[in-house]
Order: sequence, then structure tokens, then C-alpha cells
Amino acid sequence: QVQLVQSGAEVKKPGSSVKVSCKASGGTFSTYAINWVRQAPGQGLEWMGGSIPLFGTANYAQKFQDRVTITSDESTSTAFMELSSLRSEDTAIYYCARDRRQLSLGVAFDTWGQGTMVIVSS
Amino acid sequence: DIQMTQSPSSLSASVGDSVTITCQASRDISKFLNWYQQKPGRAPKLLIYDASNLETGVPSRFSGGGSGTDFTFTISSLQPEDIATYYCQQYDTLPPRLTFGGGTKVEIK
Repeated sequence: QVQLVQSGAEVKKPGSSVKVSCKASGGTFSTYAINWVRQAPGQGLEWMGGSIPLFGTANYAQKFQDRVTITSDESTSTAFMELSSLRSEDTAIYYCARDRRQLSLGVAFDTWGQGTMVIVSS
Repeated sequence: DIQMTQSPSSLSASVGDSVTITCQASRDISKFLNWYQQKPGRAPKLLIYDASNLETGVPSRFSGGGSGTDFTFTISSLQPEDIATYYCQQYDTLPPRLTFGGGTKVEIK
């Protein structure tokens, strides 16, 4: 059974960057896309982008294209999401989520991390 | 981007009732539609994929249907443990794009 464990909560200043990690265990890492989905307090779900570690390249939602970078380290089965130029509206829980089918990206997510709270405040 | 209109935004029903949530896409998405359950303080859980396929381990009281622009999600006999917010989610693959509906909060009357 695959598990995704994310890094801990972060408090950041406006204008700074945050990098959240997502470590996979118990299954194949390279051929399953890791996606990032965020949820602002009391709000719905928003897909930010994803990447299949085997291929290395990432696809991003247009809204985040200029500010987000998704990478992965196959040697440690860990995916990363870095969001730059933070503003208060970026305060949210950030989830990593794995696609249920190999070699598909942004389709359906059957395994989720526990979430990482990021607070942006001066 | 494709917009997903989910309704109602909330509902209250009794244990044992049948509950239906709808999701409408702004254009034809074939059967590229999934449903998730999110309980308070927890990550979402995939229940239905590709409009009508039950994810492994999900109780059979959950079901989905529809194609094109109009989709439904039904809980045939509401249970106390079904209290949650439910989201639809559509996807495009070339290039990868996906959007979630606004969510439906289900409560017990």
C-alpha cells in the first residue's frame, strides 16, 4: 500500500518562497504522477500541477504557471512543490496526490498525503 | 478552462435516505469525471472514477452516472459516516488540465 508523507507546516512572509516535500513509500515511485492540490481555509480544491518522476517534466495549471515548480528525486522517492512570490491568498493546505494509473498525469488521485499547512503572513 | 457547476452546495437528509448530487461541465467531457469524499480535517478520498466506476473498497451504496456535460453522484442509503463534503473533478489529458466542482456538504437531518 503506497503512502505519501508530507513535510510539516510552514509560516512564510509575503514575497518569499516555500518548498513542500512529499515522500512515497510502499510502492513504485517513478511511473506514477505526483500532483499538487491546494485548499484555502473553508474553500474547495484547486489543482496546481503534477509530474511523472520518470520523465522529469511537469505540467502546471495556468494560474500557477509563473510561480510554481514541481520536481522529484527518484533516489529518495520524494516529490517537491515550490511556490514563489507568496501572498496572503496562498495561505492554504497543500496536498500531494498520486494518480491511480501509471504514466497518466492529472486524471484521478487514489492516494493523498496528509496535507501541509502553509500560512503567509507578515 | 472547463468550469464545473456542482449542486446543491449543501444538503441535509435522514439516515437511510437516497441523496443525489449533480455536476455540470461547461462543455462535453465524455466520461472524464471523478467523485471524491472529504471528511473534516482529512484529505480527499477517491470514490468514483470515469463517471461510474467504483474505486476498490468503496461501499456499493455510492454510485455515479452521466456523460457529456451532465453527471450525477448518488448515495443510495445515507449513513452517519457519510457526513462529508463531496467534490466532482473533471480532467483533460492533452495537455493535462483538471478542475474541481465547488463541493457539496452533506449533513444528517
